[in-house]
Amino acid sequence: GAVVSQHPSRVICKSGTSVKIECRSLDFQATTMFWYRQFPKQSLMLMATSNEGSKATYEQGVEKDKFLINHASLTLSTLTVTSAHPEDSSFYICSAGPGTGDYEQYFGPGTRLTVT
Amino acid sequence: EDKVVQSPLSLVVHEGDTVTLNCSYEVTNFRSLLWYKQEKKAPTFLFMLTSSGIEKKSGRLSSILDKKELFSILNITATQTGDSAIYLCAVGVISNEKLVFGKGTKLTVNP
Repeated sequence: GAVVSQHPSRVICKSGTSVKIECRSLDFQATTMFWYRQFPKQSLMLMATSNEGSKATYEQGVEKDKFLINHASLTLSTLTVTSAHPEDSSFYICSAGPGTGDYEQYFGPGTRLTVT
Repeated sequence: EDKVVQSPLSLVVHEGDTVTLNCSYEVTNFRSLLWYKQEKKAPTFLFMLTSSGIEKKSGRLSSILDKKELFSILNITATQTGDSAIYLCAVGVISNEKLVFGKGTKLTVNP
């Protein structure tokens, strides 16, 4: 199957700093990638749709100025958590699909963010 | 509003048992239904279903979709402790690639 990577897998940062998370599709091109957030024992919550070459589409309730998304190429999307606070601590997961019409999505391994 | 409901939320069985996980949905413009297995990290893809009545099978796992009754089941036979995980059901809609997720079923298989 298609492979999606994420980096870093785990990050600890201080309150007020910014953190960038990368999502890469390794063996296919993805015009669209998705960013999810998952709290402990809860399902995935879609944060935004990342579109190559254009602005991301954010879900209701997600602050676009806080969670900056850049999809600069067909294989890379980045999520930057700006001015992080402890409540931003979570598991962030990206997904992408080959976009061949069958809409399978493959997930990256996730990034555990801890804000102290 | 698009909705995906999984049941049960939690299930504890013994090794060797057979389990059936349920997923019902209410979405506009259904495209596909996907099952994922999530252990400690991100979900891994199991099946994608688009047509009613056609069973998909992979080893001890199988799944089938009923588009008339708007549900799918995931069967696991001869369960093993390694099957312990959260099983997520997600539905894709026509016109975009977004997935709507259910809350998941937490399966625990005891030795």
